[in-house]
Amino acid sequence: DAGVTQSPTHLIKTRGQQVTLRCSPISGHKSVSWYQQVLGQGPQFIFQYYEKEERGRGNFPDRFSARQFPNYSSELNVNALLLGDSALYLCASSLVDRGNTGELFFGEGSRLTVL
Amino acid sequence: GENVEQHPSTLSVQEGDSAVIKCTYSDSASNYFPWYKQELGKRPQLIIDIRSNVGEKKDQRIAVTLNKTAKHFSLHITETQPEDSAVYFCAASRYTNAGKSTFGDGTTLTVKP
Repeated sequence: DAGVTQSPTHLIKTRGQQVTLRCSPISGHKSVSWYQQVLGQGPQFIFQYYEKEERGRGNFPDRFSARQFPNYSSELNVNALLLGDSALYLCASSLVDRGNTGELFFGEGSRLTVL
Repeated sequence: GENVEQHPSTLSVQEGDSAVIKCTYSDSASNYFPWYKQELGKRPQLIIDIRSNVGEKKDQRIAVTLNKTAKHFSLHITETQPEDSAVYFCAASRYTNAGKSTFGDGTTLTVKP
């Protein structure tokens, strides 16, 4: 089975632009979470979606938004990019069993550079 | 919200020695504590996890201990090998929602041959 896949793997944007990152979870996984990992730090929670509904939001500005599609894939959108948005964006999926979110499976990430 | 602190930030050991990484958490409602290994340029991968209803869990050379009273948990790696070299992250969450995990800032472990 394919793991969590993310696209694009690398991208460069300039300040003020908008970016859309995509994630396909492992087949059967209905929960998708997004994390931002700045160099030298741990992943920081941005959003979690389950069954197409937002289940949690981290401490990020409204410039960040996300959604989940009927096939459980997900998109993360960031508007009005700032230099500080440069980071590795990780998507993680998990199999929800009886309401419990189990082990997180991460994708390889999308590395965003904002110039 | 939850806050997770991880120490040390870097750790260098000789092959065959043991390595210990420690984390503290702040939210007493957290009851799920996974550890992830991230090799350079790769995705984080779960290596071991523990729930708050147990105090210790082992998997071959890796063990995790949890002290709920003190709100800290530790990763122990015995008989370290060069392939153990990586960045290790601890995390905390509620087991019912591990998708919303709080991570430590990582420990870079270097195992010298």
